[in-house]
Formats: sequence, structure tokens, C-alpha cells
Amino acid sequence: NAGVMQNPRHLVRRRGQEARLRCSPMKGHSHVYWYRQLPEEGLKFMVYLQKENIIDESGMPKERFSAEFPKEGPSILRIQQVVRGDSAAYFCASSPTQETQYFGPGTRLLVL
Amino acid sequence: AQTVTQSQPEMSVQEAETVTLSCTYDTSESDYYLFWYKQPPSRQMILVIRQEAYKQQNATENRFSVNFQKAAKSFSLKISDSQLGDAAMYFCAYRSARGFGNEKLTFGTGTRLTIIP
Repeated sequence: NAGVMQNPRHLVRRRGQEARLRCSPMKGHSHVYWYRQLPEEGLKFMVYLQKENIIDESGMPKERFSAEFPKEGPSILRIQQVVRGDSAAYFCASSPTQETQYFGPGTRLLVL
Repeated sequence: AQTVTQSQPEMSVQEAETVTLSCTYDTSESDYYLFWYKQPPSRQMILVIRQEAYKQQNATENRFSVNFQKAAKSFSLKISDSQLGDAAMYFCAYRSARGFGNEKLTFGTGTRLTIIP
């Protein structure tokens, strides 16, 4: 059973561009969570999704950030008009029910 | 809101010795889950151990065990027979058990563990 997959692993964007981060949950997992880790900090919750639904987006910045988990395909975290402060590691986790979350390897976003 | 505090930014231990990492948390809830995650230099987040608050028995996974003190809101991780591969950042995390819509993990700031050969 493959683990949580994220791609790309590294992403470089210039200020003002868009960043799209993808997450494929473990097989059989219908719950997806996104977290952000700034340098030298712990992970901070961003958003929780089930298929086609956003359950909790209390950690998402109000502007420029959006997330989706369509019926088919991976979950996408989208950051529009990136700024240098968006540089961070973005982790996706999945779970089969509302229990233990298993993390992917993360996407390192660098904004130049 | 729940908070998780890890007061030891860095710890070191001699190989084969035992080390304890501290974690305290603040919550008004009576039912919840606590976790320790490990983040090695690869930066992959790896689940080490999980504890349900309603269970009085401390969780154990091979060389890893916890000391869960619910009244004190303390959740320390003990690593026995430390190995070089244990070197990593260790994060303590809290999750409510209130059910649907309350599944987010709240993390502490981490403890960097160094293993001395």
C-alpha cells in the first residue's frame, strides 16, 4: 500500500506566479489535511477536506489560498500570486476515518 | 483553543542511553488524542506513537513509550536504547475527539534530538 504522495517535492516560483501542490492520499483514505511548516517552526493546520467537500478551512489565509479534493484525482492546494512569505514546506496527510493522520513527504515551495 | 508546548528546543543523548522528551498541553476537553511524530533530516513526518486520553495505560511501541499524566496535562516521550537513526525533530501533537469537523492536529514547536555516538 503506497503512502501519501505529494508532488512536486520542490517547487520554485517567482513572486506573483501561481503554485499548485498535489496530494494523493493513501488508498482507501477519504480524508485529506493540509499543513504548512515555516522554517524552524512546527506544522500549522490549514484545511481539512473530504471528497468534494471542505470540512474545516479555519487555518487557511483568507486570500490567495484555495484547496479542493475532487471526486476523481488528487487534492490540490493552490496559491495565487505567491509572495516570499509563502516559502515553506507544505504537508498533506490522509486518514481512513477521523483518526490517525499519515503524512506525505511534503512539497518545499521557494518563492524568489 | 488548544495549545501544545514543548519546552526543550534541543536535547542530546548518548547512543544506547535513554532520553525523555517533554510535552504539555492545554485543553478544556476531556476526550482527545495525543501523538508524537518524528521528522528526520528527510523532513518526512513519521508517526511514532499515539495515546487516547480515555485510556489510562501508557502507549508503547518497541523502544518508544509515553508517560501520560492527564490531570497534569503532560505527555512525555521516552526513547530507550537510543540509536543513531533516532536523531530527528520530534513533535508532540493534540487532536480533539469531539468528532466531525474537529480533526485538525495542533503541534508543538518541536524538540531536536541529537544522538552522540
